[in-house]
Amino acid sequence: GIQVEQSPPDLILQEGANSTLRCNFSDSVNNLQWFHQNPWGQLINLFYIPSGTKQNGRLSATTVATERYSLLYISSSQTTDSGVYFCAVKAGGFKTIFGAGTRLFVKA
Amino acid sequence: NAGVTQTPKFQVLKTGQSMTLQCAQDMNHEYMSWYRQDPGMGLRLIHYSVGAGITDQGEVPNGYNVSRSTTEDFPLRLLSAAPSQTSVYFCASRGGLANYGYTFGSGTRLTVV
Repeated sequence: GIQVEQSPPDLILQEGANSTLRCNFSDSVNNLQWFHQNPWGQLINLFYIPSGTKQNGRLSATTVATERYSLLYISSSQTTDSGVYFCAVKAGGFKTIFGAGTRLFVKA
Repeated sequence: NAGVTQTPKFQVLKTGQSMTLQCAQDMNHEYMSWYRQDPGMGLRLIHYSVGAGITDQGEVPNGYNVSRSTTEDFPLRLLSAAPSQTSVYFCASRGGLANYGYTFGSGTRLTVV
């Protein structure tokens, strides 16, 4: 089946810093989504981005489907950005497969 | 408020017991799914459904059953609980192509002793 790899696995930032999270996938995908899981365990959908670039406030995402990767940019990080960021892909059928996540901690 | 409701939030079972995790959504979403999340790992798909009466297996279906008798409800049954099923379980739903983002429930933390 399709493999989804995220990097880095862990990231510590000083508040105000910028960061880039990466998601690589092993096969062509129909769609890709980014999620944030906050420290209380709640999962929030950030972007549905099968290709191209989208922006929402300080967050933006780019997917290059032909090269099988997606990037999530966080600018001017805040402590509330802490948590785990997951990418998830759908490759045919109806199954959505998650990567292992990037654990982000933003220090005040 | 519209969304995905999971119950219970916490549960402790003894090995061999059975139970049902409930999931309901009020957004008229056709697609619903169950995931489990283990420490330090992503979410792994257990079962999913693309509509009432239609279910299929995900990555880790063994030891779990599902049914989808209505659009709103998608319960997950543990047939004979094992310590390996200790995990946090999430139910999710999404709409069709025009509304593809997932909505997750708040999770059920299950411990099997």
